[in-house]
Amino acid sequence: KNEVEQSPQNLTAQEGEFITINCSYSVGISALHWLQQHPGGGIVSLFMLSSGKKKHGRLIATINIQEKHSSLHITASHPRDSAVYICAVRPGAGSYQLTFGKGTKLSVIP
Amino acid sequence: KAGVTQTPRYLIKTRGQQVTLSCSPISGHRSVSWYQQTPGQGLQFLFEYFSETQRNKGNFPGRFSGRQFSNSRSEMNVSTLELGDSALYLCASSPRDSWEQYFGPGTRLTVT
Repeated sequence: KNEVEQSPQNLTAQEGEFITINCSYSVGISALHWLQQHPGGGIVSLFMLSSGKKKHGRLIATINIQEKHSSLHITASHPRDSAVYICAVRPGAGSYQLTFGKGTKLSVIP
Repeated sequence: KAGVTQTPRYLIKTRGQQVTLSCSPISGHRSVSWYQQTPGQGLQFLFEYFSETQRNKGNFPGRFSGRQFSNSRSEMNVSTLELGDSALYLCASSPRDSWEQYFGPGTRLTVT
C-alpha cells in the first residue's frame, strides 16, 4: 500500500509570499494529482503529473519520480488561495484507486 | 458543459437505515469514481465504474455498494448505517481519453 505524506500540515502566509507544499510517497506510481478543496467541500483538480513540471497561472507543480517526491508552489500568494491542498497518487495505468495525503491547510493573510 | 452533480447535497439518517446517493457525470464522461472523506481518515477511494462495470474497489465493507446506469449516472448505497459512516461523499467523473478527475460538490451524510 502506498503511503502519502504531505508537509506542512498547516501553513500561514502573508499575501504575496512564495509558498511550497511537499508530497512524498512510498511506492512507484503512474501519476500524481494535486487537488484544492475550499471550505464547503468542493474539490478542484489543479494538476495531474507523471513527470517533470507543469504551470498554470501562479501555480507550479513538479515531480521527481526517482525521489518519489512532488512539490506544489504558489507564487505571489493571495487570500483567495486559502484552501486545503491535497496530494493523491495513482498506482498504475488502468486504476483510479487514488491514495490521498492528509492535506495541507493554507491560510493567506492580507 | 454542466459539471458533475450530486444529489442530495445533505442528508440525515438514523443508525441501521440505508441510504442511496446519486451522481450525474459530465456529459460524455463514462467513468465515475466515489470517495469518502472524514476528519479522521481523510479522503478514501470507494469504487470506480466504467460502462456499467465496477473496475476498482477500495477497502470498504460490503455494506457499501454501487452501480452505474447506461447513461453513466451512478448511485452508491450504504446499508445498515453506522455512526462512522457520517462523511462527505464525493464522486468524480473522467473523460475516456484522460485520467483527469472532475469532482462533484459532494453529499454530506450525517448518521445519528
